[in-house]
Amino acid sequence: QLQLQQSGPELVRPSETLSLTCSVSGGSISDPTYYWGWIRQPPGTELEWIGSIYYSGSMFSNPSLRGRVTISLDTSKNQFSLQLRSVTAADTAVYYCARQHIGTAGLDYWGQGTLVTVSS
Amino acid sequence: DIQMTQSPSSLSASVGDRVTITCQASQDISNYLNWYQQKPGKAPKLLIYDAANLETGVPSRFSGSGSGTHFTFTISSLQPEDFATYYCQQYNNLASFTFGPGTKVDIK
Repeated sequence: QLQLQQSGPELVRPSETLSLTCSVSGGSISDPTYYWGWIRQPPGTELEWIGSIYYSGSMFSNPSLRGRVTISLDTSKNQFSLQLRSVTAADTAVYYCARQHIGTAGLDYWGQGTLVTVSS
Repeated sequence: DIQMTQSPSSLSASVGDRVTITCQASQDISNYLNWYQQKPGKAPKLLIYDAANLETGVPSRFSGSGSGTHFTFTISSLQPEDFATYYCQQYNNLASFTFGPGTKVDIK
């Protein structure tokens, strides 16, 4: 059974970089059938796709985040990571990692979610 | 960017009711649409992919249809565990996708 376990700080100061890691067990992030993505959900609002990465290292991100996003892979640890730079209070949200099928973009396995608050 | 709208934004229903939610895309997305269920404090769960295909393990009371710009999600007989928020997700471009604003289904 695939499992995604998220880790990272829950409090980030404005203008700093938000960093989260998603550790995958029960499957390989080198599986060519899937992307690995990050999605967020501000409190009480809708879901927003942040970006996704393929095992080759190809990365795509939401244009609305204006180049602040980096997603990286560590195949030796079977994990992938998110960095979101220059955060503001508007970046406060529950952040999820997820597995994304390359054919349907269906997000079929999710991490537990991390509430990240941006505050001084 | 492709914009997604859902209607209604919320509804109240009783156990056993038939529930229908619609999702509209701002441009033709063929059948590139998925549906999710989210319960409070939990990650979303994939129910339907490619507009009409039931994800493995999902009860058959859930169904989806549509293509182009208009899509429908139906629960044929609402069960107590189905009270949740439902989201559509378009993936016309696999390098960029968007979710609808959600439909909250609660108990009448």
